[in-house]
Amino acid sequence: AQSVTQPDIHITVSEGASLELRCNYSYGATPYLFWYVQSPGQGLQLLLKYFSGDTLVQGIKGFEAEFKRSQSSFNLRKPSVHWSDAAEYFCAVALGGARQLTFGSGTQLTVLP
Amino acid sequence: DAGVTQSPTHLIKTRGQQVTLRCSPKSGHDTVSWYQQALGQGPQFIFQYYEEEERQRGNFPDRFSGHQFPNYSSELNVNALLLGDSALYLCASSSLGSGADTQYFGPGTRLTVL
Repeated sequence: AQSVTQPDIHITVSEGASLELRCNYSYGATPYLFWYVQSPGQGLQLLLKYFSGDTLVQGIKGFEAEFKRSQSSFNLRKPSVHWSDAAEYFCAVALGGARQLTFGSGTQLTVLP
Repeated sequence: DAGVTQSPTHLIKTRGQQVTLRCSPKSGHDTVSWYQQALGQGPQFIFQYYEEEERQRGNFPDRFSGHQFPNYSSELNVNALLLGDSALYLCASSSLGSGADTQYFGPGTRLTVL
């Protein structure tokens, strides 16, 4: 069965520090890959997506992610975190872009001043 | 350009009751998907509607049903509510008809079952 693993339940970083959130997937084929962010009590906002091509993708708010086929990973990075980045981050996969999304359990990001 | 909208924002029901949640997709989108997000968890896929038909369904019981209208808006109905149905219900829209490849989410409806 397909699955998405986000190994880190909670990450704390200081403002200005770099960030990497991990995501691993188990799928029969290379799926479509997404990162979404959710602020408290809010819906999900798309940060970036990977379908094919260049394995390093750029997203909104200064985020980027790298697809590594050999590791079945799609880790999210940001060089310098801002206090407004504090939120929950979800990695998701799908067999097609508009097909059902399978989500990881999320990583809660806390940013210290 | 309005994004995905959902109503109501919050809802409180008691066990055994029925509830209807509503979703209007983003302009130009023809596909609506529904997800359930329990507290502290990632969203789980319930079902997807396209051309007024359910085309995909996740692992949810028949108590969960839906409908899509000719204007592409959608309803999610849950019968015989259980305490475990308390969750944030998210609607996402996309466009299978034009091959648009990304789902955009609404703000959600928070359902509390007492």
